[in-house]
Amino acid sequence: TQLLEQSPQFLSIQEGENLTVYCNSSSVFSSLQWYRQEPGEGPVLLVTVVTGGEVKKLKRLTFQFGDARKDSSLHITAAQPGDTGLYLCAGRGGSNYKLTFGKGTLLTVNP
Amino acid sequence: GAVVSQHPSRVICKSGTSVKIECRSLDFQATTMFWYRQFPKQSLMLMATSNEGSKATYEQGVEKDKFLINHASLTLSTLTVASAHPEDSSFYICSASGLAGAHTDTQYFGPGTRLTVL
Repeated sequence: TQLLEQSPQFLSIQEGENLTVYCNSSSVFSSLQWYRQEPGEGPVLLVTVVTGGEVKKLKRLTFQFGDARKDSSLHITAAQPGDTGLYLCAGRGGSNYKLTFGKGTLLTVNP
Repeated sequence: GAVVSQHPSRVICKSGTSVKIECRSLDFQATTMFWYRQFPKQSLMLMATSNEGSKATYEQGVEKDKFLINHASLTLSTLTVASAHPEDSSFYICSASGLAGAHTDTQYFGPGTRLTVL
C-alpha cells in the first residue's frame, strides 16, 4: 500500500508570509498532483508533476517533485487570504490508475 | 474543458431512504469514474472505481450492497446509497478520467454532494 505523508496538517499564517507544504512517501510515484479544495466544493487541480526534479510555477505557487519521485513540495510566496483552503497532494504509482491522497493541509491566511 | 458535474449538490433524507447521486462528465468521455467520501476537514477516501460497462471495483471495507455504483455510459456514473443511515452522512465526491487534457489519466473532480441522513 502506498502512503503519502503530508505536513503540516494545519497552518495559520499572516498575509504576506511564505509557507511550504510537504508530501513524502517511501514509494515511487509515476506522477503527483496537487489540488486545492474550498469548503463544500470538489478539489481543483493545480498542477501535475511527472519528472523527477521537476519544478513548476503557477504565479506565487512553486511545486517541486523530488529527484527520486518519492516526495514533493508546494511553496507559496507572499500568501494572500484567497489562498485559504485545503491543499491535497495525490500520487499515482506505476500502472495503478488510482490516486493515493495525502491527509491534506488546511491553510488559513489571515488578513 | 474537463468539467464534471454532480447532482444533487445537497440532499437531506430520512433514515432508511435510498439516495442516488449522479456524476456526469460534461465535455469529455470518461472511461473511468471514481467515487470518494470525505469527512469534515479530512482528506478524500476512495470508495470505488468504475469503468463504463463493467462492475465497479470497491476498496476494502466498502460495502458493495450498501453503495451501489452504475456506470452505464461514458458520461454518467451513479452512486446509490441504499437504506441510508445517519452514519452515511458525508460529502461524496466523484471524479472522472478519460481522453481530456494533456494527461489522459488526470482525474477531474465534481463539486461534491453533501448527504445528511436524519
